[in-house]
Amino acid sequence: ILNVEQSPQSLHVQEGDSTNFTCSFPSSNFYALHWYRWETAKSPEALFVMTLNGDEKKKGRISATLNTKEGYSYLYIKGSQPEDSATYLCAFGGATNKLIFGTGTLLAVQP
Amino acid sequence: DAGVIQSPRHEVTEMGQEVTLRCKPISGHDYLFWYRQTMMRGLELLIYFNNNVPIDDSGMPEDRFSAKMPNASFSTLKIQPSEPRDSAVYFCASSEGGLEQFFGPGTRLTVL
Repeated sequence: ILNVEQSPQSLHVQEGDSTNFTCSFPSSNFYALHWYRWETAKSPEALFVMTLNGDEKKKGRISATLNTKEGYSYLYIKGSQPEDSATYLCAFGGATNKLIFGTGTLLAVQP
Repeated sequence: DAGVIQSPRHEVTEMGQEVTLRCKPISGHDYLFWYRQTMMRGLELLIYFNNNVPIDDSGMPEDRFSAKMPNASFSTLKIQPSEPRDSAVYFCASSEGGLEQFFGPGTRLTVL
C-alpha cells in the first residue's frame, strides 16, 4: 500500500510569517508529485506538478522543492497572508495516472 | 472554458434509493477521474477513464457503485442502492495527458 504523509497536520501562523510543510512519498516508481491548494467549500486547485529530482517551482510567494531519491517535497510560503489560509494537499503519481493524496496540512493565517 | 462541471451540487436521498452524479470534463481533456472525500479517508480515487475507457476501478468500494463515460464530454457515477455510509463529497476531475488534474466543484451527497 502506497503511503503519502504530510506534516504538520495543521499550522497556525501570524500574517507575515513564512512557513513550510513536508510531503513524504514512496521513492520507488515515482512519476510526479503534485501540490494542491484547497480552500473550504471549494475544489482543489493545482499549484505545482513536479517530475524531476531537484525540481524547484515558484508561483508568487509560494515555492516547492522535490527530492525523489529520498522521497520528500517541501512547500514554502513566504510572508503568509490571511488569503493563504487553506488545506495544502500533496499527491504522489506513480507509473499510472493514479494519484495518491496525503491528508493535507491545514494552514490558518491570523491577521 | 467553464472548467469541470458537476451536477447536482447537493443531493439528499434516502437509504436504498439510486443516486446518479454527473460530470462534464473540460473540453479536449482525455482523462477523467472520480474521487470521494470523507473525513475518515480523505480524498480517494474511485475510478478513472482515458479516452472514455475505464482504466482503473480498483477504488470503487463495491458493486453498488458503477461509472460510465459514454462520450468524451460526459460521465456518470451511480450508486444503487445508496447507504448512509456513502455520504461524502464526490469530485470529478479531468486532465489533458493525465498529469495536472482540474477538479470540479463537487457533489455533496447525504444519504439518510
